[in-house]
Amino acid sequence: SYVLTQPPSVSVAPGQTARITCGGNNIGSYTVNWYQQKPGQAPVLVVYDDSGRPSGIPDRFSGSNSGGTATLTISRVEAGDEADYYCQVWDTTSDYVFGTGTQVTVL
Amino acid sequence: QVTLRESGPALMKPTQTLTLTCSFSGFSLNTSGMCVTWVRQPPGKALEWLALIDWADEKYYSSSLKTRLTISKDTSKNEVVLTMTNMDPVDTATYYCARAIGEFDFWGQGTLVTVSS
Repeated sequence: SYVLTQPPSVSVAPGQTARITCGGNNIGSYTVNWYQQKPGQAPVLVVYDDSGRPSGIPDRFSGSNSGGTATLTISRVEAGDEADYYCQVWDTTSDYVFGTGTQVTVL
Repeated sequence: QVTLRESGPALMKPTQTLTLTCSFSGFSLNTSGMCVTWVRQPPGKALEWLALIDWADEKYYSSSLKTRLTISKDTSKNEVVLTMTNMDPVDTATYYCARAIGEFDFWGQGTLVTVSS
């Protein structure tokens, strides 16, 4: 089955940039979605189709998928960005697959 | 606006069959491209995709759980039902339904199901 690997944690100071990676075999051939999940809440879509941004999501959130890694970038990090983040793809053999999740801590 | 809400039992015993209902509004499962999906999350763990049903009544299941899952829809009621047989304590999780249009763009608040004898 297809596996998506994320770093368990990322720490970032307010105002700085956080980069969360998502690795998988030939991930560049997939389109990647990203979800933010705050404690006790349902996930929220923050990036779709590698780099699309849903309505209402700040432009501080951006995505890319190249060079064998998908990346969610959060610019000008705020305290409210502290959450778990998950990448996701659809794989023809494994169906929908979520990454292992990354906890973002704002220092 | 699009809303989804999960309902079902909070506590179950091992071997029982779980039935969860997702009630939604703001979109129709008769519309081409629309789907509803189920995702679960054990306490402190990652998200796990379970099943999806689309506007044409095509159904897709997690490879690891497909023998235990059944998904169905009632478009007249705007409901999607997921059943999972032979529940076990490892199935203790928050179960979410979401609208799927490729990505999962709207989610319910989730319902915690605890399996314990």
